Amino acid sequence: GAVVSQHPSWVICKSGTSVKIECRSLDFQATTMFWYRQFPKQSLMLMATSNEGSKATYEQGVEKDKFLINHASLTLSTLTVTSAHPEDSSFYICSGSTGGPINEQFFGPGTRLTVL
Amino acid sequence: KQEVTQIPAALSVPEGENLVLNCSFTDSAIYNLQWFRQDPGKGLTSLLLIQSSQREQTSGRLNASLDKSSGRSTLYIAASQPGDSATYLCAVEMDSSYKLIFGSGTRLLVRP
Repeated sequence: GAVVSQHPSWVICKSGTSVKIECRSLDFQATTMFWYRQFPKQSLMLMATSNEGSKATYEQGVEKDKFLINHASLTLSTLTVTSAHPEDSSFYICSGSTGGPINEQFFGPGTRLTVL
Repeated sequence: KQEVTQIPAALSVPEGENLVLNCSFTDSAIYNLQWFRQDPGKGLTSLLLIQSSQREQTSGRLNASLDKSSGRSTLYIAASQPGDSATYLCAVEMDSSYKLIFGSGTRLLVRP
């Protein structure tokens, strides 16, 4: 099956700093990529949808100036958490879709962010 | 607004049992429904995808059914094994936007 990688797998940072998380589709071209956030023992909540070469579409309640998403190529999307605060600590998961009539999303392994 | 609910929230069974996980959704106008597995601290693995025109899909010991009109899906796991222990998530796609709405998951523990 299609493989999606994320880097880093975990990161600890100080409050006020910015953190960049990379999401790569390794063996397919992801025309659309998604970013999710998952708090402990809760389900995944969609943060934003990004299409290659265009601006991301953010879900209601997600601050686009705080969570910067770039989808510069068909195999790479990045999420930058700017001026991170402890409440941003979470598990961030990306997924990629090849498009087409049958949507199948392939998920990355996730990135654990801890903001001190 | 679509809401996806999974029951039970947690389940513990002895090895070898057959079990059923339930997923319900409030808006039946779905595009497709997917079942995923998530191991602790890990990403998601897709198990089965059922298109809106289908009633079930099978993969190995897993069988997923879909009843759109009643807003329900079930995931049947035959002859459960300790390696099946994980959280199982169902998610619906409402239209061709590819956006998935997830349930809260069922945490499954299969005891040796």
